[in-house]
Amino acid sequence: DIQMTQSPSAMSASVGDRVTITCRASQGISNYLAWFQQKPGKVPKRLIYAASSLQSGVPSRFSGSGSGTEFTLTISSLQPEDFTTYYCLQHNSYPYTFGQGTNLEIE
Amino acid sequence: QVHLVQSGPEVKKAGASVKVSCKASGYTFTSYGISWVRQAPGLGLEWMGWISAHKGNTISAQELQGRVTMTTDSATSTAYMELRSLISDDTAVYYCARDGGITPRAVLDYWGQGTLVTVSS
Repeated sequence: DIQMTQSPSAMSASVGDRVTITCRASQGISNYLAWFQQKPGKVPKRLIYAASSLQSGVPSRFSGSGSGTEFTLTISSLQPEDFTTYYCLQHNSYPYTFGQGTNLEIE
Repeated sequence: QVHLVQSGPEVKKAGASVKVSCKASGYTFTSYGISWVRQAPGLGLEWMGWISAHKGNTISAQELQGRVTMTTDSATSTAYMELRSLISDDTAVYYCARDGGITPRAVLDYWGQGTLVTVSS
């Protein structure tokens, strides 16, 4: 199985900050990587697919990059509604695997 | 527009089975698969398995093999996930999500609202 190591597991930042979350795959997954945002008690929402493609309707302050084993999600200027939890997902091969999650808290 | 509507919350005794449904609308059901994802209280997302709505073939997470069965009914555009021999660790919110397989644009792009399954001892 492919392991996804997501870091950091938690971080604090302020409104307006630029933040980056990283996912590392235990083996190459090409660009079969998606990023999700999940607010408490809500359904996960896909932000990025194919590592760098922005989901329709998602603000342009979100961006993704990477290929192979290293991937990043960047939020260019944090807004109050962005303080929540983020997950990466590899779907290069079964079983799909999620990262452990990053809890983004307001500083 | 695409919608996935899941069945309501369930409370089950340990050792029992639960079957969650996921009714799809707004797209051609047999052109995509369905993945099932669960989330235990306070924990992360766990992929459970995938079913092709076209051919009915399935792939499930190894730790669930033997306890989980995924099926679809193309006549009603509904996917089902049955989990047997429930234990307390199966207490979670269970989600279905559309899964286009090899098409990254359509992998887990739409999700059901979630179904809370509570297992009591």
